[in-house]
Amino acid sequence: KAGVTQTPRYLIKTRGQQVTLSCSPISGHRSVSWYQQTPGQGLQFLFEYFSETQRNKGNFPGRFSGRQFSNSRSEMNVSTLELGDSALYLCASREPSVNGDRVYGYTFGSGTRLTVV
Amino acid sequence: DAKTTQPPSMDCAEGRAANLPCNHSTISGNEYVYWYRQIHSQGPQYIIHGLKNNETNEMASLIITEDRKSSTLILPHATLRDTAVYYCIVRVAGAQKLVFGQGTRLTINP
Repeated sequence: KAGVTQTPRYLIKTRGQQVTLSCSPISGHRSVSWYQQTPGQGLQFLFEYFSETQRNKGNFPGRFSGRQFSNSRSEMNVSTLELGDSALYLCASREPSVNGDRVYGYTFGSGTRLTVV
Repeated sequence: DAKTTQPPSMDCAEGRAANLPCNHSTISGNEYVYWYRQIHSQGPQYIIHGLKNNETNEMASLIITEDRKSSTLILPHATLRDTAVYYCIVRVAGAQKLVFGQGTRLTINP
């Protein structure tokens, strides 16, 4: 089975710009989550999507948004980039049934490293 | 989700067992203990999880105390590739997010 694929791996953007990151989950996984990792705050939950619907959202400003497509692929968007948005953005997929989650947990991609200059 | 407490760093000699402790004194009856690890510049990797019984898989063993207030992840024969940050997380199975603490930075020394 192919793993979780995130593109691009690296990105450099300028303050004020916007950025879109992409995530392709493991085939058959219907839930996709996004996390931000920074040296100061560690790993923080951004949001989770299931069947094209956002089910849960972390404590991030409205500049952070996402969506999920019918094939479960997901994108996240950050508008009006700030220097503090520089981070590793991780996507994770899972089979959200209780039994599936209990057995398999989350599978993470390798992340997109975003640098805002 | 319950809060967990882990030592910030540990060292272990290659070939020895690495024992990583985690305290979760406020864990609820329906919360599982999950362990993930993150090798530098990669996404976290699922290791093992359990509810109240000890668990073992090809990667590690998980020992949960009878009162469930603490647990230990055991890597039986640590290798250099086990150098990573290890996260202990407690959550209800099927919950919609993982809440990561600061984890334990485990260094395996040759």
